[in-house]
Amino acid sequence: SQQGEEDPQALSIQEGENATMNCSYKTSINNLQWYRQNSGRGLVHLILIRSNEREKHSGRLRVTLDTSKKSSSLLITASRAADTASYFCATEAFLNAGNMLTFGGGTRLMVKP
Amino acid sequence: DAGVIQSPRHEVTEMGQEVTLRCKPISGHNSLFWYRQTMMRGLELLIYFNNNVPIDDSGMPEDRFSAKMPNASFSTLKIQPSEPRDSAVYFCASSTGTGHEKLFFGSGTQLSVL
Repeated sequence: SQQGEEDPQALSIQEGENATMNCSYKTSINNLQWYRQNSGRGLVHLILIRSNEREKHSGRLRVTLDTSKKSSSLLITASRAADTASYFCATEAFLNAGNMLTFGGGTRLMVKP
Repeated sequence: DAGVIQSPRHEVTEMGQEVTLRCKPISGHNSLFWYRQTMMRGLELLIYFNNNVPIDDSGMPEDRFSAKMPNASFSTLKIQPSEPRDSAVYFCASSTGTGHEKLFFGSGTQLSVL
């Protein structure tokens, strides 16, 4: 079952524009992570935000977390054609002793040059 | 480090045949995960090992699926007998196992069962 649900399922923008993807989840979490997947490849970790954090930055990426609403957003600023990929949020459930992540369905981002 | 290595990259087989997927985690990583990705169901966790011991296999679809980790550097996922509905991309991922950190994914095995 999918813990996280991304919105929108697909997004098409022009190079230079910002892209915002949202993720909602159902249960309490230890942390929430965002991953990127290029076509035909494995997932690559982008950023991890812990349940006691509200915002985190990494280069052109900005992630927010609202635990009261059980939601997160990923903002990619000044997008590039190379950002074209699928983006997934993944949650680690609270009290999960291990590293088990549950992934959402993903957002397919297309950045047009 | 070469990252997580999976083999084969592509596998085409006929219904009823046995399929074995292989994974070599990153050296020093203590946790290993098998995921399955399909358009309909997205990414599903099949099984999770920590220090070579299966911790949670609740995602394994049925008895036709089995996974082993005989040592810290090798794991297999076996499907016997395979069915067309098993067609998917199977990913292996590893992490340090210290808790609450990121996963490193392999490039996946694209399985087609005819």
